[in-house]
Amino acid sequence: GAGVSQSPSNKVTEKGKDVELRCDPISGHTALYWYRQSLGQGLEFLIYFQGNSAPDKSGLPSDRFSAERTGGSVSTLTIQRTQQEDSAVYLCASSLGTAYPGELFFGEGSRLTVL
Amino acid sequence: GENVEQHPSTLSVQEGDSAVIKCTYSDSASNYFPWYKQELGKRPQLIIDIRSNVGEKKDQRIAVTLNKTAKHFSLHITETQPEDSAVYFCAASINAGKSTFGDGTTLTVKP
Repeated sequence: GAGVSQSPSNKVTEKGKDVELRCDPISGHTALYWYRQSLGQGLEFLIYFQGNSAPDKSGLPSDRFSAERTGGSVSTLTIQRTQQEDSAVYLCASSLGTAYPGELFFGEGSRLTVL
Repeated sequence: GENVEQHPSTLSVQEGDSAVIKCTYSDSASNYFPWYKQELGKRPQLIIDIRSNVGEKKDQRIAVTLNKTAKHFSLHITETQPEDSAVYFCAASINAGKSTFGDGTTLTVKP
């Protein structure tokens, strides 16, 4: 597709279960971000991948959160042992990531509800 | 790391009035400053950006100004319309590095 694709769009899970959220960035984009947005709140940075460099994981809120990016393209955000406070919209974004900065293209997000 | 502060957190204006949102950044090396608009239930989308080699940029009713010395930049919306109601985010980055976002401003334009 032409844009950033995220799946699932909605996920309802029980407390304590693990979830995986997927992001397909725009083809050719080397930079990929994950953000978390709680209802009515701002964009909370989680993790940033840039090319083959080590990811910036400084925003991950706990060791229950992890993310990987395979082959420099698709990324998966995994939340283990989910808690109710993990409920939020998880947004993925990608950019060209070249030396000349450019806009971030966001996906529609994955809405996670932990019961 | 970079820290971006955005004010005000909420802004209510009458249709036709102007709206101004301000952001400050901490890292003097930052050189790219985009603004994103997020309508209710939708994804953030870029509306305007400015690079550090210019002081002002306009696109129809919106403009952005940058003061590198003071490390702040502002979004100006003139002749506001109800469809301008949304959450606006500013951001800062160094070249293609990590974008750091402000906390957002909820703009309400009253008809």
